[in-house]
Amino acid sequence: DSGVTQTPKHLITATGQRVTLRCSPRSGDLSVYWYQQSLDQGLQFLIQYYNGEERAKGNILERFSAQQFPDLHSELNLSSLELGDSALYFCASSVETLTEAFFGQGTRLTVV
Amino acid sequence: DQQVKQNSPSLSVQEGRISILNCDYTNSMFDYFLWYKKYPAEGPTFLISISSIKDKNEDGRFTVFLNKSAKHLSLHIVPSQPGDSAVYFCAASAREWETSGSRLTFGEGTQLTVNP
Repeated sequence: DSGVTQTPKHLITATGQRVTLRCSPRSGDLSVYWYQQSLDQGLQFLIQYYNGEERAKGNILERFSAQQFPDLHSELNLSSLELGDSALYFCASSVETLTEAFFGQGTRLTVV
Repeated sequence: DQQVKQNSPSLSVQEGRISILNCDYTNSMFDYFLWYKKYPAEGPTFLISISSIKDKNEDGRFTVFLNKSAKHLSLHIVPSQPGDSAVYFCAASAREWETSGSRLTFGEGTQLTVNP
């Protein structure tokens, strides 16, 4: 158990819909990262937050957004969902930038 | 632009022998490197890391070597055990100085199989 909690574990939704994925970082970790792993693809970085502020951004679609709340949990919002958005979405947390990042178990999103 | 590459998709070794997993990178700004182990449909599990100011870091059966001039790192597992069978990812990180942010850039992974 990495200490990073992601909910829900599985999500099935229809095209065009909007979903919210939630991540609770390890106790004491200020930094949260979101990654996407599509079928047969590697882990693609989406976005990083540190203590509530956006710090780094990857190839995150405009339909996707994220935020980190004062209690340090983070949410990833995916809207106008398309079939190609079906993937595993992982959250990771670390104490600081450039330290070990610990991953949650992921949310498997299926868009039908 | 694949900045982190693991050229071997798979590796098979006998139990008790050494497993050597390799990783190459192209971005000279990377200054922190990590290895993760991953099972299907699970999150990556952190194994070991190394800062660019070091050339070796050891933790139990796992040792990571960094050759900055060659932009190459490797993970040695000694002795290998059947429970080590998984996909291993190397990852690299660089500080984004304008924002003090960072991201992990992952390789494609190497499937390690340890045979009893």
